[in-house]
Amino acid sequence: GQQLNQSPQSMFIQEGEDVSMNCTSSSIFNTWLWYKQDPGEGPVLLIALYKAGELTSNGRLTAQFGITRKDSFLNISASIPSDVGIYFCAGQRTQGGSEKLVFGKGTKLTVNP
Amino acid sequence: DSGVTQTPKHLITATGQRVTLRCSPRSGDLSVYWYQQSLDQGLQFLIQYYNGEERAKGNILERFSAQQFPDLHSELNLSSLELGDSALYFCASSVDGRYSPLHFGNGTRLTVT
Repeated sequence: GQQLNQSPQSMFIQEGEDVSMNCTSSSIFNTWLWYKQDPGEGPVLLIALYKAGELTSNGRLTAQFGITRKDSFLNISASIPSDVGIYFCAGQRTQGGSEKLVFGKGTKLTVNP
Repeated sequence: DSGVTQTPKHLITATGQRVTLRCSPRSGDLSVYWYQQSLDQGLQFLIQYYNGEERAKGNILERFSAQQFPDLHSELNLSSLELGDSALYFCASSVDGRYSPLHFGNGTRLTVT
């Protein structure tokens, strides 16, 4: 099946540092989504991207829909302890007449105060 | 709060048993999705319903089944449970089941002993 390669798998950073993570695929996607999952909770939608080249911000978070439609990145600026969690990318594409959503395996972020 | 409600929050049962997980989608959402998340694993898509009809099937075992009722709530039935079925089971909902983002519930943690 389709794969999304999400990297890095994990990150250990100091509070205040900027963070960057990305997802790549050999397939073209129509939509890219970024989610954050806190321990014991469900993934929460952070940013949705619908157009190639689109750059969208949500507070300290910025995400971009790659121009080739095969990749996306998420940046977090000036990280704080509550940014800890697992970040998932998800790509959505039309396949066989239906929409398919594929998730990356996640980036586990640890922020040291 | 995503608006997606899942019950129960925790479930502990023995091998060979059968359980039912319940999900109420966000108000106005017509589509429900079920995902499985094992320890340190990403989100594995199981099945999707739209307005009571099955729309897409993922890696769902034959021992598992689901349905969406006229009031749009959904149930995931897991039977002949095995130790390897222990996981977090998430329900998500979206408005149209095609292009709108998914919103996740907080999951049901199933432990099979």
